[in-house]
Amino acid sequence: GDSVTQMEGPVTLSEEAFLTINCTYTATGYPSLFWYVQYPGEGLQLLLKATKADDKGSNKGFEATYRKETTSFHLEKGSVQVSDSAVYFCALTNFGNEKLTFGTGTRLTIIP
Amino acid sequence: DAGVIQSPRHEVTEMGQEVTLRCKPISGHNSLFWYRQTMMRGLELLIYFNNNVPIDDSGMPEDRFSAKMPNASFSTLKIQPSEPRDSAVYFCASRTGPGASTDTQYFGPGTRLTVL
Repeated sequence: GDSVTQMEGPVTLSEEAFLTINCTYTATGYPSLFWYVQYPGEGLQLLLKATKADDKGSNKGFEATYRKETTSFHLEKGSVQVSDSAVYFCALTNFGNEKLTFGTGTRLTIIP
Repeated sequence: DAGVIQSPRHEVTEMGQEVTLRCKPISGHNSLFWYRQTMMRGLELLIYFNNNVPIDDSGMPEDRFSAKMPNASFSTLKIQPSEPRDSAVYFCASRTGPGASTDTQYFGPGTRLTVL
């Protein structure tokens, strides 16, 4: 079945540092890939998505590129802020399987 | 526009009691999902509906759990009887409709359930 493997956390960075959270997937066909973010005490929000190979999703300074050759969708941000502290989830859906398959989540803490 | 609405936001109950969680999806959305989040198991899909019809309930842990969607604007998740291991945050999410797997799922704020 489909699966998502995410970088283990927690991750702690200083403000303005460069961020990478790794995500790889296993799926047949051509899945759609998502990054969701969960701020403390809230539900999940879509951060960005990509629906086909080589697409780049971007939002709020975050980027991720759909790499079919490496089955990856790594999340990056050039300069993180304290307000980026949250849990980040990589996820996929696949044609014929409408449910989101989530990774385990990566807790990110940014210190001033 | 209002997002996905869940009630109650917090529920504390005693073992053996019935618990009902409620969800109102975004208007016009025809797919609805119930998830459970725990530290040990992460995010798990319990059940989802398309056009008010349950499509996949393979994630429902056992017969104590049941879910209904009597109309397009309301769904319930019921646990009867509740047990301490059911303590978790339960999320409802909605999406435009069947066959729209590339579309965003919009999550509600969740219900934090504590079973004593």
